[in-house]
Amino acid sequence: DAEITQSPRHKITETGRQVTLACHQTWNHNNMFWYRQDLGHGLRLIHYSYGVHDTNKGEVSDGYSVSRSNTEDLPLTLESAASSQTSVYFCASSESRGGAPYEQYFGPGTRLTVT
Amino acid sequence: GIQVEQSPPDLILQEGANSTLRCNFSDSVNNLQWFHQNPWGQLINLFYIPSGTKQNGRLSATTVATERYSLLYISSSQTTDSGVYFCAVPSSYNTDKLIFGTGTRLQVFP
Repeated sequence: DAEITQSPRHKITETGRQVTLACHQTWNHNNMFWYRQDLGHGLRLIHYSYGVHDTNKGEVSDGYSVSRSNTEDLPLTLESAASSQTSVYFCASSESRGGAPYEQYFGPGTRLTVT
Repeated sequence: GIQVEQSPPDLILQEGANSTLRCNFSDSVNNLQWFHQNPWGQLINLFYIPSGTKQNGRLSATTVATERYSLLYISSSQTTDSGVYFCAVPSSYNTDKLIFGTGTRLQVFP
């Protein structure tokens, strides 16, 4: 069965360190997304990609970067981790249908703690 | 930008009861999804329902796009239905970027 996986599932890091969260999907979807979930804010979009070598900023992109070198993977990098980036991170993917939005499927999430 | 509001924020039920969750959105949409976040944090797709009505077992959903709302019905609730229910719509028409509501927290007691 096709799926979307994230690793690690839990991570503790120190302020100032670079951290990379992995996201891998086997749906062969063109579209991939990163969200963060915080109490009181729900899920918010960080970055997204519509295909290989395409990346775009979402509503809370400061301090994060992504790169897309193949269809299956969209790693999320925190360049210099800050305590404000303690959160649960979700990756998602969806089909492209000529620009029309379609159903997004979510990974299991990564709980990141920055101390 | 588009606003998404869910009600009620919290719901406590006894097993076997029925419930209706509501999602209001402030602008036209051509995509709406309902998710269940279980107590382990996993986001489970319930419905992709830009318009009309769909049913899946004890759950059903209706979206009335012209009136900018969607309803999620849970019948004969079970303890495994506990968790948070989110609706999500595109941030603008014909985009894939989702805006999530703040959710309805459901607790079902035996």
